[in-house]
Amino acid sequence: GDSVTQMEGPVTLSEEAFLTINCTYTATGYPSLFWYVQYPGEGLQLLLKATKADDKGSNKGFEATYRKETTSFHLEKGSVQVSDSAVYFCALSPGGSYIPTFGRGTSLIVHP
Amino acid sequence: EAQVTQNPRYLITVTGKKLTVTCSQNMNHEYMSWYRQDPGLGLRQIYYSMNVEVTDKGDVPEGYKVSRKEKRNFPLILESPSPNQTSLYFCASSLRQGVNYGYTFGSGTRLTVV
Repeated sequence: GDSVTQMEGPVTLSEEAFLTINCTYTATGYPSLFWYVQYPGEGLQLLLKATKADDKGSNKGFEATYRKETTSFHLEKGSVQVSDSAVYFCALSPGGSYIPTFGRGTSLIVHP
Repeated sequence: EAQVTQNPRYLITVTGKKLTVTCSQNMNHEYMSWYRQDPGLGLRQIYYSMNVEVTDKGDVPEGYKVSRKEKRNFPLILESPSPNQTSLYFCASSLRQGVNYGYTFGSGTRLTVV
């Protein structure tokens, strides 16, 4: 079946550091890929998405590129802030139906 | 404001006492779903609904019931709660079935069963 694998956390960075959170997937067909963010005490919010190979999703300084050849959708940000501290979930939505699969989440902690 | 509203935010109950967690969305979304979030296990889908009167089991449906009598509401029912249902629950909705639509999530319900 479909699956999403994220790097284990927590990821701990200093403010203004470069961020990469790895995400790889297994799916049949041509899924859409998503990143969600969960701030403390809140629900998940859609951060960005990409619907086909080589698409780049971007939002709030975060970016991720849909790489079909490596089945990856890594999340990046050039300069993180303390306010980016949250849990980040990678997810895929398979073709033909909408039963999404979520990764287990990666906690990001940014220190001043 | 477009949103998914869950109630209550926090609930402590005793084993066996029936409870309902409500979920309502104001976006005319067709698709709704319930998840539970547990440490180390991520998000697991309990039930989902493609539209009114259409519901189906997710990955962990045991011990839960749902109904979808109206498009906007999708309550989660625990007929006889047990301590292993202590968890953080999220309701989510999407415009319709299809790969391009992301979810809108509620703020969560933290349930403790003692």
